Amino acid sequence: SAVISQKPSRDICQRGTSLTIQCQVDSQVTMMFWYRQQPGQSLTLIATANQGSEATYESGFVIDKFPISRPNLTFSTLTVSNMSPEDSSIYLCSVGPTDGAGETQYFGPGTRLLVL
Amino acid sequence: AQKVTQAQTEISVVEKEDVTLDCVYETRDTTYYLFWYKQPPSGELVFLIRRNSFDEQNEISGRYSWNFQKSTSSFNFTITASQVVDSAVYFCALSDYQGAQKLVFGQGTRLTINP
Repeated sequence: SAVISQKPSRDICQRGTSLTIQCQVDSQVTMMFWYRQQPGQSLTLIATANQGSEATYESGFVIDKFPISRPNLTFSTLTVSNMSPEDSSIYLCSVGPTDGAGETQYFGPGTRLLVL
Repeated sequence: AQKVTQAQTEISVVEKEDVTLDCVYETRDTTYYLFWYKQPPSGELVFLIRRNSFDEQNEISGRYSWNFQKSTSSFNFTITASQVVDSAVYFCALSDYQGAQKLVFGQGTRLTINP
């Protein structure tokens, strides 16, 4: 499976600021996804990061709040804009498929965000 | 719409006991994938297994086994002779076979193995 890294691993931010999270993969992948996991909750898909075009957002998530870039097949960024305490979550990127035999998504280590 | 239900919010057992985590899913697709992921306290999501809807064979990997039954829309996960290192949150997930391949997760089951 691909090796996925995320930066930063964690951060504490002030209300009203923005944070950009980076996701780097060690091989080219077709699809990259961004998920949010609020405290004690399950994972919810924010958007699919499309290479060379705008991201596809899920219901309840908008580009102004969560702008995403995907400049190439190994890298993507997610920005959490104008943050509030409700944005405190773990943000995870995932990639897939990489195993050539199916549709398994593999996840990065996550970015733990605390907004004060 | 796709939906995954993990009715067991928390399970606590003593080491060496067997434990089964339940997963029930809903989908209108005739072809789909089912997954189990493990999330230890460190937070990363570890892939455990993928099963496609064509293959109802049960699978065993060491102490782990999975029982897929299309008739009841269930994909249950059993840990035999549990160990403290098995303590984690376990997520069942569903994705479509083609197209968007988005994962829909269940709420997760927090498993605690006590020494």
